[in-house]
Amino acid sequence: GAVVSQHPSWVICKSGTSVKIECRSLDFQATTMFWYRQFPKQSLMLMATSNEGSKATYEQGVEKDKFLINHASLTLSTLTVTSAHPEDSSFYICSADRPNLQGYGYTFGSGTRLTVV
Amino acid sequence: RKEVEQDPGPFNVPEGATVAFNCTYSNSASQSFFWYRQDCRKEPKLLMSVYSSGNEDGRFTAQLNRASQYISLLIRDSKLSDSATYLCVVNRGQAGTALIFGKGTTLSVSS
Repeated sequence: GAVVSQHPSWVICKSGTSVKIECRSLDFQATTMFWYRQFPKQSLMLMATSNEGSKATYEQGVEKDKFLINHASLTLSTLTVTSAHPEDSSFYICSADRPNLQGYGYTFGSGTRLTVV
Repeated sequence: RKEVEQDPGPFNVPEGATVAFNCTYSNSASQSFFWYRQDCRKEPKLLMSVYSSGNEDGRFTAQLNRASQYISLLIRDSKLSDSATYLCVVNRGQAGTALIFGKGTTLSVSS
């Protein structure tokens, strides 16, 4: 099964700064990664689909200039939250369309909890 | 209409109870169906895939009705450790497309 490593696990930043979140596929090449965010007591909402070597596809209502996605290699996709504000505080998680260690489903990173103060 | 809709919950049941969760999805092109479990402040973990013929994994039984675009999860003999949020998940269409999550149903099992 596949493994996706996501860093950092949590981060606290000041309003107006930018934060970069990384997802690395450790034992496979990920041509596609999916980025989600989850607000408290809400479900995971798909933000964008990240494609290696091309532009990401954003979901309706997600600002592409604020949430910059870079998928420059087959093992690394990054999400940068630019000019972060307190309302961007959320749980961000990536996923690859590869079976997990149990051999089925999709593989998720462990998530990044972002707090903007 | 939301892509995936679930029972709002929460469900509060005693140990040993049987509980059922329902879910409907709007995209008839969806090909893959799952139930995930999420514990507080953690990433979602796959509970089981759901197949058209229905499938069972121990105390958990999942059913899929493609005609009515309906998915269910039955938990028998509930344990305290089953307390979590259960997420109904479908993909957008062909293999490799994004997973879309329902809002989740919270289950609380008490002794």
